[in-house]
Amino acid sequence: AQSVSQHNHHVILSEAASLELGCNYSYGGTVNLFWYVQYPGQHLQLLLKYFSGDPLVKGIKGFEAEFIKSKFSFNLRKPSVQWSDTAEYFCAVRGQAGTALIFGKGTTLSVSS
Amino acid sequence: EAGVAQSPRYKIIEKRQSVAFWCNPISGHATLYWYQQILGQGPKLLIQFQNNGVVDDSQLPKDRFSAERLKGVDSTLKIQPAKLEDSAVYLCASSRDSGGTIYFGEGSWLTVV
Repeated sequence: AQSVSQHNHHVILSEAASLELGCNYSYGGTVNLFWYVQYPGQHLQLLLKYFSGDPLVKGIKGFEAEFIKSKFSFNLRKPSVQWSDTAEYFCAVRGQAGTALIFGKGTTLSVSS
Repeated sequence: EAGVAQSPRYKIIEKRQSVAFWCNPISGHATLYWYQQILGQGPKLLIQFQNNGVVDDSQLPKDRFSAERLKGVDSTLKIQPAKLEDSAVYLCASSRDSGGTIYFGEGSWLTVV
C-alpha cells in the first residue's frame, strides 16, 4: 500500500531563515507528487506538483521541491521564509492514474517575525 | 472559476444523531472525492466518484457512512449514527479527471458531543 512520511511534525523558524521539509513515499511505480498548504482558517491549496520531466519543480510563493526517485523523496524548500508562510504543509502522492491522493500527516511551520 | 463549494461549514451534533454534508464541485470536474481530516492528521480518503460511479470506497465505514452523487455533479455525504470519533473536518475535492490536479473545498467541520 502507498504511504507518505513527513519527517517533521512542527518546525519553528525565524523570518529569512531557509526551509526544508522532508517527504518520503513508498510506492514502486510511477507517481505524481504534490505539496499542499493550509493557512490558518483556510482550505488546502496546491503549492506545487510533479508529474514528469524536470525533477526540480517551482511552485507559488517562492517554494520549490526536488523529486529524487532513488530516494523516494520529494522535499519542499524555500530559501527565505516569511511570517506569512506560517501554515500546515502536506505532502501527497498519487500512484497509478485514477487513484486518489494519499497524504502525509503534515508539518506545522511557525515563522516568527 | 468558482471553487469547490461545501455546506454546512460547521455542525455540532450529539452522538447517535445523523448529519449530512453537501458538496458542489468545480464545473466540469468529473472526479469528486470526500476526505476526512482528523485534527493533527493528514486528510484520509473516504470515497472517490468518477461521474456518478464509485471508484474507491474501501476506507468508507459503510455501517454508518454513505455517499452519493446521483447526477454526476453535486454529492452528499451522510453519517448515521454519528460517533465521537467522527469529529473531524470533511473535505470535498474535485478534479477534471482522475489524473488531474485536485482542488479542495473549505471543508465542513463536524463536532460530535
